[in-house]
Amino acid sequence: QKEVEQNSGPLSVPEGAIASLNCTYSDRGSQSFFWYRQYSGKSPELIMFIYSNGDKEDGRFTAQLNKASQYVSLLIRDSQPSDSATYLCAALVYNQGGKLIFGQGTELSVKP
Amino acid sequence: SQTIHQWPATLVQPVGSPLSLECTVEGTSNPNLYWYRQAAGRGLQLLFYSVGIGQISSEVPQNLSASRPQDRQFILSSKKLLLSDSGFYLCAWKEHGQGRRDTQYFGPGTRLTVL
Repeated sequence: QKEVEQNSGPLSVPEGAIASLNCTYSDRGSQSFFWYRQYSGKSPELIMFIYSNGDKEDGRFTAQLNKASQYVSLLIRDSQPSDSATYLCAALVYNQGGKLIFGQGTELSVKP
Repeated sequence: SQTIHQWPATLVQPVGSPLSLECTVEGTSNPNLYWYRQAAGRGLQLLFYSVGIGQISSEVPQNLSASRPQDRQFILSSKKLLLSDSGFYLCAWKEHGQGRRDTQYFGPGTRLTVL
């Protein structure tokens, strides 16, 4: 059974701090990983994806992938109250219609 | 640009009643389509996916079914709803094919409450 695990939180950080969200996956064959943000009562929206070992930066967001440790993370720099949401990590499964396996999500709260 | 629609946005149904949720995508051809369910405070559970018209793959046994009568239309149905069917139902699409950058885009969702 392919699994993606996330700390459910809630994770609370002060405004302006760095928020660090973590995710582990069980399937060594997984190649691509996606981070989605979901505001309460809304549908998930893509933040970024990563498929190469190392870091990938997009504005205040940095995704990190370590395939040897089967570990994915998302760093949010200069956290803002508007970043308060649930963050979902997902792993792409090949040869099965491109389906994603999602973690249970980490709730982030950024305090002003 | 591509747009994905779902309706209805909200639905309250009695136990044992039928269900039909619809999802349509605009601005793309032959997309892969997905139905997810999200229970309160939980992650997304994939229910069905489709790689083409009439092609449905079921992920979990349940009293739900899916159909894809047209290229950009995906329907989720049930003959008799259970209390456990309550949740937030999300439709998603991605470009046909397979690649490391494949990204799924979600519709606005349908919130279903079964009483």
